[in-house]
Amino acid sequence: SYELTQPPSVSVSPGQTASITCSGDKLGNKYTCWYQQKPGQSPVLVIYQDTKRPSGIPERFSGSNSGNTATLTISGTQAMDEADFYCQAWDSSTVVFGGGTKLTVL
Amino acid sequence: EVQLVESGGGLVQPGRSLRLSCAASGLTFDDYAMNWVRQAPGKGLEWVSGITWNSGNEAYADSVKGRFSISRDNAKNSLYLQMNSLRAEDTALYYCAKGMYQQLEPRDAFDIWGQGTKVTVSS
Repeated sequence: SYELTQPPSVSVSPGQTASITCSGDKLGNKYTCWYQQKPGQSPVLVIYQDTKRPSGIPERFSGSNSGNTATLTISGTQAMDEADFYCQAWDSSTVVFGGGTKLTVL
Repeated sequence: EVQLVESGGGLVQPGRSLRLSCAASGLTFDDYAMNWVRQAPGKGLEWVSGITWNSGNEAYADSVKGRFSISRDNAKNSLYLQMNSLRAEDTALYYCAKGMYQQLEPRDAFDIWGQGTKVTVSS
């Protein structure tokens, strides 16, 4: 079965750029999306179709996808961005999530 | 306001059944595919099942195939998940999640999520 691999944790200082990776075999040939989940809350879609931002998502969130790696980039990271982030892709008509990355802003 | 509200969770013994419901409001329900996603305590997200706008196609994770069944009633703006032969490893918060398109397709993402309903499988 298809697997998506994320680092368990990423740390960033306020105002700096955070990059969260998601790796999978030929992932660049698939669409990847990203969700943010804060403690006790439901996930929120922040990037879809590799690079698109849903309405209401700040411009500091951006995405890319090439080769075997998709990347979520948060520019000018704020304390409110601290959360778990999950990548997601489709494989053989089923949905696969990455294991999640805990972003710490310190 | 677009809203998804799950219900039907609870404590159930292993081997028993449970039916979850998701009531949608504020959207044209039959324009979109719908999905169930679960999250075990302290763990990550796991997709469970999806269904197209007209119930023409369904898909399931291998972990639930043959035990769970997804359905929808567009007249009632509702999504369902029938869960049979429940196991301890099915214990999780179950989310209803809206797709962005009618079909289950590779470009799709889940843009609206409910608050979840908790399922605990234990004797």
